[in-house]
Amino acid sequence: GENVEQHPSTLSVQEGDSAVIKCTYSDSASNYFPWYKQELGKGPQLIIDIRSNVGEKKDQRIAVTLNKTAKHFSLHITETQPEDSAVYFCAALRYYQLIWGAGTKLIIKP
Amino acid sequence: NAGVTQTPKFRVLKTGQSMTLLCAQDMNHEYMYWYRQDPGMGLRLIHYSVGEGTTAKGEVPDGYNVSRLKKQNFLLGLESAAPSQTSVYFCASEGDRPYGYTFGSGTRLTVV
Repeated sequence: GENVEQHPSTLSVQEGDSAVIKCTYSDSASNYFPWYKQELGKGPQLIIDIRSNVGEKKDQRIAVTLNKTAKHFSLHITETQPEDSAVYFCAALRYYQLIWGAGTKLIIKP
Repeated sequence: NAGVTQTPKFRVLKTGQSMTLLCAQDMNHEYMYWYRQDPGMGLRLIHYSVGEGTTAKGEVPDGYNVSRLKKQNFLLGLESAAPSQTSVYFCASEGDRPYGYTFGSGTRLTVV
């Protein structure tokens, strides 16, 4: 079945710097890749997603890239701000079910 | 505000007790999911439903039961709680596929 690996598990960056979180998936049939942000005490919230027919998608300071050949996709956050501190989850859609990565705790240092 | 509402938010159970977690959504979504979240393990799917009156097992269904008698509600039951079921439980709903999930704010359950 599908397996999604997410790295790193914890990422600490200086405020204003960029952050990159990477995920790899195993099933080439996966065709939808969302990213979720979970703030402390809340449920995950969709922040950006990408479909397999697109290589890159941007939304202000957030971007996602997809390399279908290598089976990996990445979340890029530029000009990080304190409110970016959270846990981020990637996922891959396989047979109408999302398979989730284990999460990355992003820490923004002042 | 439209969204997913979970009740209760917190609960402490004794081993062997039973309880039901309620998830309600007002977005007319067909698909609903129950996840548990444990430290370092991300989200694991317990059960899901693709429509009113239907349910199916996810990755970790043992010890749980679910019902979807009404489209807007998805109930998760623990018949005989065990300490291993201490976790944070999240409900999510999904509209047109593939589409983003809308999550509730979670239920923190402790079994002692």
